[in-house]
Amino acid sequence: AQTIHQWPVAEIKAVGSPLSLGCTIKGKSSPNLYWYWQATGGTLQQLFYSITVGQVESVVQLNLSASRPKDDQFILSTEKLLLSHSGFYLCAWSQDWGNYAEQFFGPGTRLTVL
Amino acid sequence: GDSVTQTEGLVTLTKGLPVMLNCTYQTTYSPFLFWYVQHLNEAPKLLLKSSTDNKRTEHQGFYATLHKSSSSFHLQKSSVQLSDSALYFCALSDGNNRIFFGDGTQLVVKP
Repeated sequence: AQTIHQWPVAEIKAVGSPLSLGCTIKGKSSPNLYWYWQATGGTLQQLFYSITVGQVESVVQLNLSASRPKDDQFILSTEKLLLSHSGFYLCAWSQDWGNYAEQFFGPGTRLTVL
Repeated sequence: GDSVTQTEGLVTLTKGLPVMLNCTYQTTYSPFLFWYVQHLNEAPKLLLKSSTDNKRTEHQGFYATLHKSSSSFHLQKSSVQLSDSALYFCALSDGNNRIFFGDGTQLVVKP
């Protein structure tokens, strides 16, 4: 069975500090991977997606970057946090067989920027 | 551009009553529509999906029919339960790994 793990579970960071969030998928080879941001009680905003190692597509510009260093790993980062970065960050994966695929979401990381 | 509109931000109902959550979309591609449900402090999970015009799809008592003529994919249930209280998202895939979510509808079911 496939499992998705995100780390850390929660972070409290200062404005201007760097950030790195991670996501690992086990039990599925070559998944499509996604990063989403969700304000408290708000909608899901797709940030990035990746269909293969080393390739990441940006969907929106939020002063964030993403990388896929391994087939099963997706990293979200920034060198300088803004207050607006606070929220819930969700990693998701889908089957690599088209765009009708269900997205499976990880447990998320709650980020508070002070 | 592609977009999804959910008109109700909050729906409050008494247990046992029917519910319909509205979803309309805009796209230039062939639409793939989804409903996701997110319970408090949990990750979203798929509830329904469809790409077939005028075909009803059902899961866990919820159902929806994609109507391409009206660009709609409304979510319905004939009798809501307390456990249905959650945040419901309608989502659209543009066929290029981009997923657009609506603003979400918070469903609150009261005893």
